[in-house]
Amino acid sequence: DAKTTQPNSMESNEEEPVHLPCNHSTISGTDYIHWYRQLPSQGPEYVIHGLTSNVNNRMASLAIAEDRKSSTLILHRATLRDAAVYYCILTKGGSEKLVFGKGTKLTVNP
Amino acid sequence: NAGVTQTPKFRILKIGQSMTLQCAQDMNHNYMYWYRQDPGMGLKLIYYSVGAGITDKGEVPNGYNVSRSTTEDFPLRLELAAPSQTSVYFCASRIRVGSYEQYFGPGTRLTVT
Repeated sequence: DAKTTQPNSMESNEEEPVHLPCNHSTISGTDYIHWYRQLPSQGPEYVIHGLTSNVNNRMASLAIAEDRKSSTLILHRATLRDAAVYYCILTKGGSEKLVFGKGTKLTVNP
Repeated sequence: NAGVTQTPKFRILKIGQSMTLQCAQDMNHNYMYWYRQDPGMGLKLIYYSVGAGITDKGEVPNGYNVSRSTTEDFPLRLELAAPSQTSVYFCASRIRVGSYEQYFGPGTRLTVT
């Protein structure tokens, strides 16, 4: 299975954009890229997913490199409520299985 | 909708005891999942189900059993609890078509001593 690599931690200031990177150099053509986040003491929460094209939703944007070997989750204006662990996950096609790594712990400073 | 609910929120078990973690969803989702999360780690899939009567193993199924007799409920059974099963357990669900989004419950914190 293709693996993902994320920084252990990142810091941001409130109301500034945040770019969370994810490397997945062994991604295959049918792998989807998912992002989930987990706020303290809560279950994970879906953020966004994509296959080849950049994606936007109300929470974030997902920028996927042309060769698909990396992607970036973009939070346009970080708030204190965005402080969480962010997980970048690959799944094969319609696979049911999410495989969580350790993720990136995002700290948002006021 | 209540979404995905889990009971209990907390539980302490003695080694060798058994218990059932309850999970229910009211979104008519076909797929349901059980994960565990050890301190400082990501979640690991224990079991999952693609519909009533159908279950399959995930990464770490040993020491657990599941059943899925209805669409709404997906209980996780721990037999002969061991300290290695001390963890936070999350249940999740997903609709079959039209979305890849998994919805997670609030978790059950289990300690085995």
